[in-house]
Amino acid sequence: DIQMTQSPSSLSASVGDRVTITCRASQNIGNYLNWYQQKPGKAPKFLINDASSLQSGVPSRFSGSGSGTDFTLTISSLQPEDFATYYCQQSYSILGTFGQGTKLEIK
Amino acid sequence: EVQLVESGGGLVQPGGSLRLSCAASGFTFSSYEMNWVRQAPGKGLEWVSYISSSGSSIYYSDSVKGRFTISRDNAKNSLYLQINSLRAEDTAVYYCARASPRGYNYGYAYWGQGTLVTVSS
Repeated sequence: DIQMTQSPSSLSASVGDRVTITCRASQNIGNYLNWYQQKPGKAPKFLINDASSLQSGVPSRFSGSGSGTDFTLTISSLQPEDFATYYCQQSYSILGTFGQGTKLEIK
Repeated sequence: EVQLVESGGGLVQPGGSLRLSCAASGFTFSSYEMNWVRQAPGKGLEWVSYISSSGSSIYYSDSVKGRFTISRDNAKNSLYLQINSLRAEDTAVYYCARASPRGYNYGYAYWGQGTLVTVSS
């Protein structure tokens, strides 16, 4: 099975900061990498697929990049509503494994 | 509007069984691949199971293989997860999630609100 490793596990930042979250796959997954945002008590929200394709309605301050085994999610200027947990997911395999999550907290 | 509504969760003893349901509306259910994803309390997301649009192709994570059974009824716009031989580590919120129109390779655009399964004596 493909393993996904995110770093860091948690991150403290301030409104207006630029933050980057990294996701690494245990094998080459091409561009089949998705990002989700989850707030406490809520279902995940789909942000990005194909490593860099922003879903409709997602603010442009969110961006994704990478291919192969190394990927990043960048938020260019943090807003109060962005403090949440972020998950990457590989969809190269039907067994769509997730990373362990990165909790983004207010500094 | 796309809606996915899970039901069937609850408190069950170790070794027991439950059948989770996911009622779909707002889209042509029979055209979409579906998944179950779970989240233990305070933990991350764990992919559990996949079923193709016709139901002919099914996959499970190693942690549930042999104990969980995914199925669908396209005439009733419903997805199911039969969970047997429940263990404490199966305690989680169970989400149904719809794949992209282009298939599983392109992520899960829609999720239900989840249903909580608690395994405890």
